[in-house]
Amino acid sequence: EAGVVQSPRYKIIEKKQPVAFWCNPISGHNTLYWYRQNLGQGPELLIRYENEEAVDDSQLPKDRFSAERLKGVDSTLKIQPAELGDSAVYLCASSFIAEVNTGELFFGEGSRLTVL
Amino acid sequence: AQSVAQPEDQVNVAEGNPLTVKCTYSVSGNPYLFWYVQYPNRGLQFLLKYITGDNLVKGSYGFEAEFNKSQTSFHLKKPSALVSDSALYFCAVRDMYNFNKFYFGSGTKLNVKP
Repeated sequence: EAGVVQSPRYKIIEKKQPVAFWCNPISGHNTLYWYRQNLGQGPELLIRYENEEAVDDSQLPKDRFSAERLKGVDSTLKIQPAELGDSAVYLCASSFIAEVNTGELFFGEGSRLTVL
Repeated sequence: AQSVAQPEDQVNVAEGNPLTVKCTYSVSGNPYLFWYVQYPNRGLQFLLKYITGDNLVKGSYGFEAEFNKSQTSFHLKKPSALVSDSALYFCAVRDMYNFNKFYFGSGTKLNVKP
């Protein structure tokens, strides 16, 4: 079974440029997460989808970040314009979690963004 | 609010020796606790979880974790460390009221030297 697929793995851009990251979750997983991981730190949630609905985007900087999950499968995270402080690894994770199911998260390998 | 803390940024251990990576939690109610491992330039991988039952939980790659309710701890352990265990380890807790929400610790870098 294929895991969570993310692309691109690495991206270097100038500040003020736009960038987009793509995530394909594990088939059948109803929940999709985007996390940001700064160097030497743990993942911090940006946005969480249940099916196609964004149910938790309280940590997403909405002035420059946007995300979508069309048809409840693939997802795209966009930053426009990028700032120096956005340099980080952007992790996508998916899971099938219900109230009675204490499931774990499955992570992609991440997209490392460097803003110059 | 739910949270976990990992008090050590780094743990150094010699190959063959036992290892412990510490985690303490703060939750209301019974916690759902997890350990994940991250190898260089890779995403996080699930190691083990505690939901209920036996306080000693066994997971992947020979790791185990001990849940201690009185000390609010969930330390990761392995009887004999391998050089290949060198990685970043993250403790996580699941939100008690929102089952799809997880909080991660800041991570502990484990260095196993030959």
